[in-house]
Amino acid sequence: ETGVTQTPRHLVMGMTNKKSLKCEQHLGHNAMYWYKQSAKKPLELMFVYSLEERVENNSVPSRFSPECPNSSHLFLHLHTLQPEDSALYLCASSQGAGGGAGETQYFGPGTRLLVL
Amino acid sequence: AQSVAQPEDQVNVAEGNPLTVKCTYSVSGNPYLFWYVQYPNRGLQFLLKYITGDNLVKGSYGFEAEFNKSQTSFHLKKPSALVSDSALYFCAVRITGGSYIPTFGRGTSLIVHP
Repeated sequence: ETGVTQTPRHLVMGMTNKKSLKCEQHLGHNAMYWYKQSAKKPLELMFVYSLEERVENNSVPSRFSPECPNSSHLFLHLHTLQPEDSALYLCASSQGAGGGAGETQYFGPGTRLLVL
Repeated sequence: AQSVAQPEDQVNVAEGNPLTVKCTYSVSGNPYLFWYVQYPNRGLQFLLKYITGDNLVKGSYGFEAEFNKSQTSFHLKKPSALVSDSALYFCAVRITGGSYIPTFGRGTSLIVHP
């Protein structure tokens, strides 16, 4: 266990559904990340939060909406997704800004999302 | 700007043989370099990192990597591969004094044959 948990582990949803992915870290980190991992494609950074403020938003469609209510929790709200959004969604955390050299990321197990 | 390249999509090696997974990087300053491993249906796990000092870095599960500044490389190595080493390996880089957000390579699938 890395200290980062994600729920649910698997999710099947229709294109008109609304669902949320949850990530929780127990490491006292200040930065949290959402990544999308699709087959045969590089790891895509979606969002970064540092001290609960969004610091990175990599041109992600608005049907993905992140929320970081506190430094331990990160959500990804999903709405009217497309089949091409099917992927493994990974959450990660790190010590964040001012965390010193060699920032290491700790990843959760991911949520396998299938959009029908 | 920072980037990292993993030139091989897949590496095949027989069990017991040495393995190498290649990584080259491009940064405008001094790099911090990382290797992560991903087993099927799991998230990425940290293996090792280079910050400064000795160019040979030892990590988990018997893996090591050598930082070569002149060749801008950070290849992952293991003297004797195990079938259980079969997984997806990611190299990542960030710049010292820059953003703490790393840039990942595309990943290399390592297959160790019995």
